[in-house]
Amino acid sequence: GAVVSQHPSRVICKSGTSVKIECRSLDFQATTMFWYRQFPKQSLMLMATSNEGSKATYEQGVEKDKFLINHASLTLSTLTVTSAHPEDSSFYICSAIPRNQPQHFGDGTRLSIL
Amino acid sequence: QKEVEQNSGPLSVPEGAIASLNCTYSDRGSQSFFWYRQYSGKSPELIMSIYSNGDKEDGRFTAQLNKASQYVSLLIRDSQPSDSATYLCAVNQGWGGATNKLIFGTGTLLAVQP
Repeated sequence: GAVVSQHPSRVICKSGTSVKIECRSLDFQATTMFWYRQFPKQSLMLMATSNEGSKATYEQGVEKDKFLINHASLTLSTLTVTSAHPEDSSFYICSAIPRNQPQHFGDGTRLSIL
Repeated sequence: QKEVEQNSGPLSVPEGAIASLNCTYSDRGSQSFFWYRQYSGKSPELIMSIYSNGDKEDGRFTAQLNKASQYVSLLIRDSQPSDSATYLCAVNQGWGGATNKLIFGTGTLLAVQP
């Protein structure tokens, strides 16, 4: 079946560091990918829709300059959390849509900012 | 504000029993409905999708959709301890999957007691 690979699975870094998370569709092309954030005991919140070859679409309240999204190819989208602070600590999950299938999720990245 | 609502639980059922998980949604124009299972610390995995009124069965899982009542449910027969997880209801915002954006409920924690 369709596989979405996300890397790294866990990041621990100091406040002020920028962190890049990769999301790859391994056996299908994805013109659209999604980035979610999930805080403990809360549901997934959509942050932005990543569009191949064009600008990402951000949800209301999500700072585009804080969360940089690049979707340079049909199989790769990256999310960069710039100048991360402790309040950015969360579980970040990407997803993609294989042809004629529902969204498939990556394994997620647990980000901890000290 | 388009919403998807679930009882957060925990829903506790004995092993072998039927677990019934419920979800209501506010956007009458929603077209696609999904149940995802999420184990603690993991990303969601798709369990069922349903698009038309009625029941859809897949193994021990049955999804039920009633668009008039804006209600979707998931039944798990012969519940096993391995079914213990958070079950997320997700609704496709908009008509015909044009945006493919999913709105998630907060999830119901299911605990199957051995």
